[in-house]
Amino acid sequence: DQQVKQNSPSLSVQEGRISILNCDYTNSMFDYFLWYKKYPAEGPTFLISISSIKDKNEDGRFTVFLNKSAKHLSLHIVPSQPGDSAVYFCAARASGTYKYIFGTGTRLKVLA
Amino acid sequence: DAGVTQSPTHLIKTRGQQVTLRCSPKSGHDTVSWYQQALGQGPQFIFQYYEEEERQRGNFPDRFSGHQFPNYSSELNVNALLLGDSALYLCASRFWGQTYGYTFGSGTRLTVV
Repeated sequence: DQQVKQNSPSLSVQEGRISILNCDYTNSMFDYFLWYKKYPAEGPTFLISISSIKDKNEDGRFTVFLNKSAKHLSLHIVPSQPGDSAVYFCAARASGTYKYIFGTGTRLKVLA
Repeated sequence: DAGVTQSPTHLIKTRGQQVTLRCSPKSGHDTVSWYQQALGQGPQFIFQYYEEEERQRGNFPDRFSGHQFPNYSSELNVNALLLGDSALYLCASRFWGQTYGYTFGSGTRLTVV
């Protein structure tokens, strides 16, 4: 039972444009969401988080949007840079637990 | 400031053997979680340790066990290895008071033959 889904395995975007990565979840008890990026041969690197009491969180070029009614999360990267090319994972945690459930990842390629 | 350190980086074991993986958390972090990442999948939660106790466990069999030491470092032990245990094992740490922002190590690539 995949509670966190990233339905796009890959995405290509031109440098300077917006990258939008999507994530859907099924568990209404999730109260915290994270985005990580992963380069080959490295561990995931934390990017940005959002609590279920918010619908938007911004950090520099990265913005995460949360639509609780649709159980949908998105990460916007503006402007996209070649160094952003990596695999992006969304992760969610249910209230009262310590475990984060990860999606299967989306490979972003930013073309110069 | 060293981040999360894992050892070894790569390991090859035979079916039925036992393996121990090690993790040193980032300085100032006292909570350690272990994840298994199979090829093409996202990381899957194995368990979390805080104050030398297992706080929560994911859907992994008892063959997977762990330990946290007084200096906050941690070990993951896997007994009776199966071919399906081949994966990247990731350690993540944070300060207990944080809700988010786990710092991950680069992982140990375990291959079972």
